[in-house]
Amino acid sequence: GAGVSQTPSNKVTEKGKYVELRCDPISGHTALYWYRQSLGQGPEFLIYFQGTGAADDSGLPNDRFFAVRPEGSVSTLKIQRTERGDSAVYLCASSLERTAEAFFGQGTRLTVV
Amino acid sequence: AQSVTQLGSHVSVSEGALVLLRCNYSSSVPPYLFWYVQYPNQGLQLLLKYTSAATLVKGINGFEAEFKKSETSFHLTKPSAHMSDAAEYFCAVYLTGGGNKLTFGTGTQLKVEL
Repeated sequence: GAGVSQTPSNKVTEKGKYVELRCDPISGHTALYWYRQSLGQGPEFLIYFQGTGAADDSGLPNDRFFAVRPEGSVSTLKIQRTERGDSAVYLCASSLERTAEAFFGQGTRLTVV
Repeated sequence: AQSVTQLGSHVSVSEGALVLLRCNYSSSVPPYLFWYVQYPNQGLQLLLKYTSAATLVKGINGFEAEFKKSETSFHLTKPSAHMSDAAEYFCAVYLTGGGNKLTFGTGTQLKVEL
C-alpha cells in the first residue's frame, strides 16, 4: 500500500481481555517498529523487527506484551490480560533497511475499561 | 543513552509571526535528529531530518531547523505561522548503531491565533 496501515483504528476492550493490533507496513520496508503513545507524551519505543525477527524488544513493558511478524511483512502486537494502564495509542512505523527515516501509521487507539 | 528535551509543552503564536520550537538532545555519539508533526487523530508525519550533512535543514511546509553541536540543540523554526500549522510537534533522536530506534521528546503543542 501507499502508507503504513493499522487496524483497527479504535479498540475498546474490557480489563483482562486479550487484544491484537495489526500493522501493514509500506511494501518493501524490511524494518518495522511499534511505539506506544500515552496521553500528553511522546511515542515510546516497544519493539523493532528486521525482517521476521525481533531485533530489539527492550521496550516491551512486561510479558503480557508480545509481537510477531511471521512473514516479514504484516505484524501483530498482542496484549494479554489487558489493564487500564495499557490504554494508549499504539503506533506502527516502517523503514527501509539501514535508514532511520521511519514512516508512521495513524495508530490504534486502545481503551481498556 | 540518548534523550531529547523539548522546552515548552505549549507554544502560542499569532498568525504571521515567527515560530520557534526548542529541542535539546543528549547523545554520546553523533546523532540523527528529526522533527515530526502530529495533527489530531493522525499519525506522525516527518517534517525534516538531520543526518550529518548540512547543519541547516529545510523541511516541508516552510519549516527548517539548525543543528548546533556546541549547544546540543536542533530548534525548529518557521518565519511566518499559518493557522494550518497548529498541531503537536515532536523532536526525536536516532543513534547510528544504537539500536535502530527513535527516542522522542514529550512534544510541543503549537497554537496559532488570529
